[in-house]
Amino acid sequence: DAGVIQSPRHEVTEMGQEVTLRCKPISGHDYLFWYRQTMMRGLELLIYFNNNVPIDDSGMPEDRFSAKMPNASFSTLKIQPSEPRDSAVYFCASSFYRGLGGYTFGSGTRLTVV
Amino acid sequence: AQTVTQSQPEMSVQEAETVTLSCTYDTSESDYYLFWYKQPPSRQMILVIRQEAYKQQNATENRFSVNFQKAAKSFSLKISDSQLGDAAMYFCAYRSSGGTSYGKLTFGQGTILTVHP
Repeated sequence: DAGVIQSPRHEVTEMGQEVTLRCKPISGHDYLFWYRQTMMRGLELLIYFNNNVPIDDSGMPEDRFSAKMPNASFSTLKIQPSEPRDSAVYFCASSFYRGLGGYTFGSGTRLTVV
Repeated sequence: AQTVTQSQPEMSVQEAETVTLSCTYDTSESDYYLFWYKQPPSRQMILVIRQEAYKQQNATENRFSVNFQKAAKSFSLKISDSQLGDAAMYFCAYRSSGGTSYGKLTFGQGTILTVHP
């Protein structure tokens, strides 16, 4: 398995633009998570899905952020409009329900909003 | 809500020596999972070791071992025979085994480990 695949690896955009981050989880994993990492706040859980259904989106900072999981093999995190304070590394991770479930993380997307 | 605290923002160790990273957590649950993740400069999050709360035996993975003290809610990571490649940010993390929080992984603030040759 290729692991959790995120794209793009780097994204630089201007304030006010729409940004879409993409994630392909590991096949067979039924949980998918979006995290944001910044120096000030560390790793924050934004939202997670179970069997493609959003379970907890309480970490989504505001209405400018939205996430979807249209099928078991794809998820997006969208920011519209983007702001400089959204600059961070965004990680996607997936996990299997049962067992000693650690996550498998993607390589992250470094977002810079100028 | 569960919280995870890593009280050491930075640690350093000489190559081939042993270092221990501290982690404490707060929870009212009796069953849960604990993890240590490593994040090198490449930013990839790598699972180092994991522990099930109902197991009293401490987990070990090669040079990495934990000291799990359930009553004290402590979960420290010991790295033996430190290598230059161990230099990274280390995160302690907690995961519920059930209930409404199942699936969520709560991270500590991280400890930057420097390994000196």
